[in-house]
Amino acid sequence: EVQLVESGGGLVQPGGSLRLSCAASGFSVSDNYMIWVRQVPGKGLEWVSNIYSGGYTYYADSVQDRFTISRDNSKNTLYLQMNSLRAEDSAMYYCARERQVWSSGWFWYIDYWGQGTLVTVSS
Amino acid sequence: SSELTQDPAVSVALGQTVRITCQGDSLRTYYASWYQQRPGQAPVLVIYGKNNRPSGIPDRFSGSNSGNTASLTITGAQAEDEADYYCNSRDSSGTLGVFGVGTKVTVL
Repeated sequence: EVQLVESGGGLVQPGGSLRLSCAASGFSVSDNYMIWVRQVPGKGLEWVSNIYSGGYTYYADSVQDRFTISRDNSKNTLYLQMNSLRAEDSAMYYCARERQVWSSGWFWYIDYWGQGTLVTVSS
Repeated sequence: SSELTQDPAVSVALGQTVRITCQGDSLRTYYASWYQQRPGQAPVLVIYGKNNRPSGIPDRFSGSNSGNTASLTITGAQAEDEADYYCNSRDSSGTLGVFGVGTKVTVL
């Protein structure tokens, strides 16, 4: 059974750092596309970052140069290192698995989501 | 542009049909996927690709695509379909994902 369990959220002061973890089971993070998505309570979903199976990483403009996505294959865990945190980074952070398919064109979809970990940036 | 536009809210009578649309330039190149999110829960995939449903998603959910618009249709809406629905696709570079702003579906 596929499972994703996030941890590491909490209260942090502006300018501080936090590392989120996402422990995966039932599949290998190194063989899959993995993503972080965040959601301010009551608001919409925002794509944060993704890492391809080949190791390529991508970031939304809003977090570029402050956040780093990575994985530990031996622990089958995805991470999000968040530095220079701002109040606007406060949100529920979800990790998820993304699939890429070719069928008359490329398309992607997110088939498994964790339950999220809440990050609050406040003094 | 990499934005995906959705109507903020729609309502549907119990048992009737509702269509939710998602517009964006990237949809001319990439299919959208659709996610249902109930309050306090993580999103759930309901439609992906041309018109594919994951196991466990009722067949009253269907998807379609035309030009720069993707649509999610609920045929015979049930009370449990009341939720927020988000479309998702790729940005113009094809490397980052992008979500629509979400549509709140109310079942009357």
